[in-house]
Amino acid sequence: QQPVQSPQAVILREGEDAVINCSSSKALYSVHWYRQKHGEAPVFLMILLKGGEQKGHDKISASFNEKKQQSSLYLTASQLSYSGTYFCGTDRSGNEKLTFGTGTRLTIIP
Amino acid sequence: NAGVTQTPKFRILKIGQSMTLQCTQDMNHNYMYWYRQDPGMGLKLIYYSVGAGITDKGEVPNGYNVSRSTTEDFPLRLELAAPSQTSVYFCASRRSGTAVRTDTQYFGPGTRLTVL
Repeated sequence: QQPVQSPQAVILREGEDAVINCSSSKALYSVHWYRQKHGEAPVFLMILLKGGEQKGHDKISASFNEKKQQSSLYLTASQLSYSGTYFCGTDRSGNEKLTFGTGTRLTIIP
Repeated sequence: NAGVTQTPKFRILKIGQSMTLQCTQDMNHNYMYWYRQDPGMGLKLIYYSVGAGITDKGEVPNGYNVSRSTTEDFPLRLELAAPSQTSVYFCASRRSGTAVRTDTQYFGPGTRLTVL
């Protein structure tokens, strides 16, 4: 089952914050976050393992709520370079066969 | 390291033609994957492989075949191309083993295929 992402699209002004959610109907082992620019391959952002950990680097962080089977990606003080489509990939068993979400298109305007 | 490379970058096929999309990785990764991405959509897994000689179907395998004779190469074969196979195809690879479950998949640049 494909994880569901919300919102589907969001437009922000530079400097504003965004939250992107990824929900699964099944228990998860890990959640992987990627960003894809138009016409390019997905680029890895971070992995979160079950256990409710939170990760981050620079102004992008994420959390994983194992009980709720949900992960959230937080982008603070957004920059123009953050524009793109964000995908979560969920792994149910640790064998790394990822199922990707529907995607969230983020547009940052000056 | 070149990482994951794919050829060709672009291809136009006529209905009924066949072709092979090439994927090579130089990171000695055991796991390799083929995805397709339709316009404005997410990634759908076509086939994957956990090592040379071992392949398995993903979510959308119909109309495709794969083989894995070496660790480095994982070609995807399209037989009897159909317009529904118009898509961007991405190959990816990953290390294997319980010690590296925090590692992720590395994607190639993609092949844009149009079937007319």
